[in-house]
Amino acid sequence: DVKVTQSSRYLVKRTGEKVFLECVQDMDHENMFWYRQDPGLGLRLIYFSYDVKMKEKGDIPEGYSVSREKKERFSLILESASTNQTSMYLCASSSRQGSYEQYFGPGTRLTVT
Amino acid sequence: DQQVKQNSPSLSVQEGRISILNCDYTNSMFDYFLWYKKYPAEGPTFLISISSIKDKNEDGRFTVFLNKSAKHLSLHIVPSQPGDSAVYFCAAGRGTYKYIFGTGTRLKVLA
Repeated sequence: DVKVTQSSRYLVKRTGEKVFLECVQDMDHENMFWYRQDPGLGLRLIYFSYDVKMKEKGDIPEGYSVSREKKERFSLILESASTNQTSMYLCASSSRQGSYEQYFGPGTRLTVT
Repeated sequence: DQQVKQNSPSLSVQEGRISILNCDYTNSMFDYFLWYKKYPAEGPTFLISISSIKDKNEDGRFTVFLNKSAKHLSLHIVPSQPGDSAVYFCAAGRGTYKYIFGTGTRLKVLA
């Protein structure tokens, strides 16, 4: 059974803190993605990675960075958390071969106070 | 500018009837389309996909139709069941990498 796990389901941080969100997949997928989901805005792509140490900006990369040191792990970093980064963060992975479906983790609800 | 639009934020349907969820896109380069279902406090789960070389794909109660000339796709659920109540997202892209998601339609199936 395919699996994408995220380090926390719920997280509360203070403004200005550095925040790390971790994602691990066990499907040997090449591609990994970070999205945020906000009411009325759907899923918006923050960053994605198509290989170890490779990354590309998505539609809303400002205020975020990512790290992919190992194929199975993709980290999202909020350098200095702000209240407008309060959101649901979703990690996904997909294979470069065959079908293009992305498999999602359960999400991390981040609240920045 | 939204490249993928789901213009109906919500939809209510009686159990046993057909649910039709719509999605429009603007980029004619998109060649692969996906539908996802999302329950509260869970990540989206993949439902069904369609390639631009097809105009229909079926999987059990779920059928996706693609009209390339209109840049429109729809998801049909027949018959609808209360367990289908969720938010449905369509996504469009090209190849293996970046996909653009719509804003979602909340489906409520009434028992």
